[in-house]
Amino acid sequence: GAVVSQHPSWVICKSGTSVKIECRSLDFQATTMFWYRQFPKQSLMLMATSNEGSKATYEQGVEKDKFLINHASLTLSTLTVTSAHPEDSSFYICSARVPGQGGYGYTFGSGTRLTVV
Amino acid sequence: GNSVTQMEGPVTLSEEAFLTINCTYTATGYPSLFWYVQYPGEGLQLLLKATKADDKGSNKGFEATYRKETTSFHLEKGSVQVSDSAVYFCALSVENQGGKLIFGQGTELSVKP
Repeated sequence: GAVVSQHPSWVICKSGTSVKIECRSLDFQATTMFWYRQFPKQSLMLMATSNEGSKATYEQGVEKDKFLINHASLTLSTLTVTSAHPEDSSFYICSARVPGQGGYGYTFGSGTRLTVV
Repeated sequence: GNSVTQMEGPVTLSEEAFLTINCTYTATGYPSLFWYVQYPGEGLQLLLKATKADDKGSNKGFEATYRKETTSFHLEKGSVQVSDSAVYFCALSVENQGGKLIFGQGTELSVKP
């Protein structure tokens, strides 16, 4: 149980285009989702927290207009990288809090490898 | 602010060796502590967790004890296997601060046969 499906698993796009990454909770309702970015051989950096039906809360230094997060339903959150550039190439991972486990349950998507050329 | 510090990798061990990966934290509030494992090209999997002082989390032969007095949560395994080769992340969350997970920098473990 408590599975988050993340798509696509990898994407290559041209510089200047936009890319959308989706995370769906398959068997539970995800009120809160977190979006992380991971550089090669580095840790996960929290980008933003999205709550269903409200605006996302971005971490300091993360460009809101570049990384658009939408959490329009209890089972879907999306991250859109707008006007992508090579420096946006990274591994993006979503995570959802799992209800029924208090504050202690988190499940992760399998990640999206974005390459901007 | 909240932060997690792990020992730097990579750590290279022979099969059946003893493993320790150090993790210390700073937190405003009372954190829950976690260890996650990431295999190449994959997302994160929860390895174990502890929610209060002196709790011991354990799974698949791995253990970690929540030490409030030393603000530590070191990961240990008595006998590692080649299949344990992965990157290990220590993390914390504080419930009244949005519940977001804060990760350490990760420690790469390589186990040789």
